[in-house]
Amino acid sequence: QAVVTQEPSLTVSPGGTVTLTCGSSTGAVTSGHYPYWFQQKPGQAPTTLIYDTTNKHSWTPARFSGSLLGGKAALTLSGAQPEDEAEYYCLLSYRDGRVFGGGTELTVL
Amino acid sequence: EVQLVESGGDLVKPGGSLRLSCAASGFTFSNAWMSWVRQAPGKGLEWIGRIMTKTEHGTTHYAAPVKGRFTISRDDSKNTVYLQMNSLKTEDTAMYYCTSYIVATKRGDYWGQGSLVTVSA
Repeated sequence: QAVVTQEPSLTVSPGGTVTLTCGSSTGAVTSGHYPYWFQQKPGQAPTTLIYDTTNKHSWTPARFSGSLLGGKAALTLSGAQPEDEAEYYCLLSYRDGRVFGGGTELTVL
Repeated sequence: EVQLVESGGDLVKPGGSLRLSCAASGFTFSNAWMSWVRQAPGKGLEWIGRIMTKTEHGTTHYAAPVKGRFTISRDDSKNTVYLQMNSLKTEDTAMYYCTSYIVATKRGDYWGQGSLVTVSA
């Protein structure tokens, strides 16, 4: 089974920009891995921010965007807000199933 | 509005069995891939498995830790997906979420609020 890696923790200043990444032990992440990004706040169920690399849901704030960057999937937050402090998970699809990354704890400070 | 409501979570002894249900509304259930995801206390998300549509023969995929013990099934007449869990272990203790991916619109995943399963003697 593939291993999906994320930064364990990142800090961003209010109004600042930060990029979270998502790598695969099998090699470069491509659109064929259909990368997803989820946000989870304490005590709540996760919500989907980004699906299929770049697509947003109606509830996804415009300051979040998804891309492929340097062989990884990436989630960029531009203009961080205090309410963006949360855990962020990526999810990649493989031939025999899907695998979550370990999550990135994002602090807005 | 897409809604997913899990139920069936409980306290169960090691070696026991439990079936979770997830009732869906707000979309054409028969055209959705339904998945289960769990989260152990204080840990990250873990993908458990998925069932595809009947058109795709209801194909299922499972993660290695649950393969052979857990079974996902669906009843399109009831808009419900099930997770049958057998030979439960203490490490299966987690919040279990169901999610949906709507094939026709290629949009997902929508999440339920979860159902808590505790495996303890």
